[in-house]
Amino acid sequence: SHGLTQPPSVSVSLGQTASITCSGDKLEDKYACWYQQKPGQSPLLVLYEDTKRPSGIPERFSGSKSGNTATLTISGTQAMDEADYYCQAWDNRGIFGGGTTLTVL
Amino acid sequence: QVHLVQSGAEVKKPGASVKVSCEASGYTLTDYYMHWVRQAPGQGLEWMGWINPDSGGTKYAQKFQGWVTMTRDTSINTAHMELRRLKSDDTAVYFCARGGGSYLLGYYMDVWGKGTTVIVSS
Repeated sequence: SHGLTQPPSVSVSLGQTASITCSGDKLEDKYACWYQQKPGQSPLLVLYEDTKRPSGIPERFSGSKSGNTATLTISGTQAMDEADYYCQAWDNRGIFGGGTTLTVL
Repeated sequence: QVHLVQSGAEVKKPGASVKVSCEASGYTLTDYYMHWVRQAPGQGLEWMGWINPDSGGTKYAQKFQGWVTMTRDTSINTAHMELRRLKSDDTAVYFCARGGGSYLLGYYMDVWGKGTTVIVSS
């Protein structure tokens, strides 16, 4: 079983806001990061240390955390954002969530 | 520009070993940890371990201890991951990924290779 829990799927209408959650017992004390993975591609880091965006990641990607739950928010979701999203944290080992498939309607 | 260039696909028989290479381009290998992550077909991401290319120190996920070895050759800016005693459920794409962050704050992976497909089949 995964130490981090994500919903298997999330749907969002084009241009609306998508939120993907990631829950874990120790997340309150640990930073979370998020990866986007499109079919046939490697993962791409979109957020790190809960809220920081790497260079080149659009501002519509943002992060937050409350207690043991981290949230990736995509504002003004575009068709190109359709992908699998994985959260990851560190607890003396790398831990990934099970992944969430984001569908843009 | 920073890239990680991985070796090509492999097909192995059960019980064999595989060694995957990851050449760092655009930066010095010893400046960042290197993580290895695998993804079985249709499945999620699984962290295997990291190597500190500067010291050669390693940390492996408990599941892989005793049958994975991560090494590096700093003269050619390349990291390697060897998995032994392969089974059919080791069929996966194996990624190398440059590590950011720190032990205290937690590591993230900011640059990924394109992945190496390993198929284990008799």
